[in-house]
Amino acid sequence: AQSVTQLGSHVSVSEGALVLLRCNYSSSVPPYLFWYVQYPNQGLQLLLKYTSAATLVKGINGFEAEFKKSETSFHLTKPSAHMSDAAEYFCAVSATSGTYKYIFGTGTRLKVLA
Amino acid sequence: GAGVSQSPSNKVTEKGKDVELRCDPISGHTALYWYRQSLGQGLEFLIYFQGNSAPDKSGLPSDRFSAERTGGSVSTLTIQRTQQEDSAVYLCASSLRGDRANEKLFFGSGTQLSVL
Repeated sequence: AQSVTQLGSHVSVSEGALVLLRCNYSSSVPPYLFWYVQYPNQGLQLLLKYTSAATLVKGINGFEAEFKKSETSFHLTKPSAHMSDAAEYFCAVSATSGTYKYIFGTGTRLKVLA
Repeated sequence: GAGVSQSPSNKVTEKGKDVELRCDPISGHTALYWYRQSLGQGLEFLIYFQGNSAPDKSGLPSDRFSAERTGGSVSTLTIQRTQQEDSAVYLCASSLRGDRANEKLFFGSGTQLSVL
């Protein structure tokens, strides 16, 4: 069975500092991986996804993530945090065949300090 | 509307009552998903539809939960004999099912269910 683990339910960074949100997956074969973001009082929206093309994936708002098979990781980074990045971030995994079910992690709430 | 619409946005009910939650997907989207979001639990998969069929309903917690989709559009999630542990935000998402690698889920704002 597939699963994702997000380390750190809450992360605080200073404005302008590096953002690093961690996600590790468990899957018998390399899956598709996603980061979704939920801004306050808004629905979740796709930030970026890995679908076996490039291992370094760039998304919206300056975020990027790198797929590392050897570490079974898909960490989300942004070089310089902005106040508007404060939100909850979810890592998700889906299989490349079979069920279209998406498995989400427990989420990481990012707080940006002025 | 342009997005996924869920109603009601808030529902307060008494333990033991039945509730129905509605999801209107984006027009033309063939796939529809239901998730449950509880504090500290992340998003818990419940069921997904392709058209009116549910190929995977493995996430439904018990036989008190059921869902249907009609006309390849609107979906209803029904919870019978609600329990306090059913309190959560129920999220619906839809997608234009095509190439798996290019699928993108569009989420509604959810229904906050509170069981007293």
